[in-house]
Amino acid sequence: AQSVTQLGSHVSVSEGALVLLRCNYSSSVPPYLFWYVQYPNQGLQLLLKYTSAATLVKGINGFEAEFKKSETSFHLTKPSAHMSDAAEYFCAVSDGSGNTGKLIFGQGTTLQVKP
Amino acid sequence: KAGVTQTPRYLIKTRGQQVTLSCSPISGHRSVSWYQQTPGQGLQFLFEYFSETQRNKGNFPGRFSGRQFSNSRSEMNVSTLELGDSALYLCASSFRDTDYGYTFGSGTRLTVV
Repeated sequence: AQSVTQLGSHVSVSEGALVLLRCNYSSSVPPYLFWYVQYPNQGLQLLLKYTSAATLVKGINGFEAEFKKSETSFHLTKPSAHMSDAAEYFCAVSDGSGNTGKLIFGQGTTLQVKP
Repeated sequence: KAGVTQTPRYLIKTRGQQVTLSCSPISGHRSVSWYQQTPGQGLQFLFEYFSETQRNKGNFPGRFSGRQFSNSRSEMNVSTLELGDSALYLCASSFRDTDYGYTFGSGTRLTVV
């Protein structure tokens, strides 16, 4: 069964600093991996996804993530944090078969950006 | 194009009642998934429908049910509401499956009192 662990429920960075949000997954089959962002009182917005193509995935708003099979990780990074990046971020995995709508989410990481 | 629309946005119900939530997917999307989000349990998968058929189901009691219509719109129903059913219910749609990614609606905030 798939599972996702997000290390750190709360991350605080200064504006302009590097953002690093950690995600480790467990999957018995090649996974599909996703990062979503949620702003208060809103749904989830897809930042980026890995579906077994390039291991370095670029997403929206300057975010990117690298799939590392040996480390079972899919960490999210952004070179320079902006105040508007403050939100909750979720890493998710699916079973990679492609024909299912079931995503397994991590517990989320709240990103705080200090001026 | 219009996104995923969930109605209503907010709902207050009394314990023991039943509730129906609605989700209109993006035009052309045939897969609709439902999730429950709570502070304690996080985001949990309820079920997924594709072309009016339930294709996958999470670990929720039978009080939680859903359906999908021929126009891909979906509804979920919760019967005999419990206080613990208070949550944000999110709907997501996709053209077909995970390959295409899922777009989420803004959710329905259900409060059971």
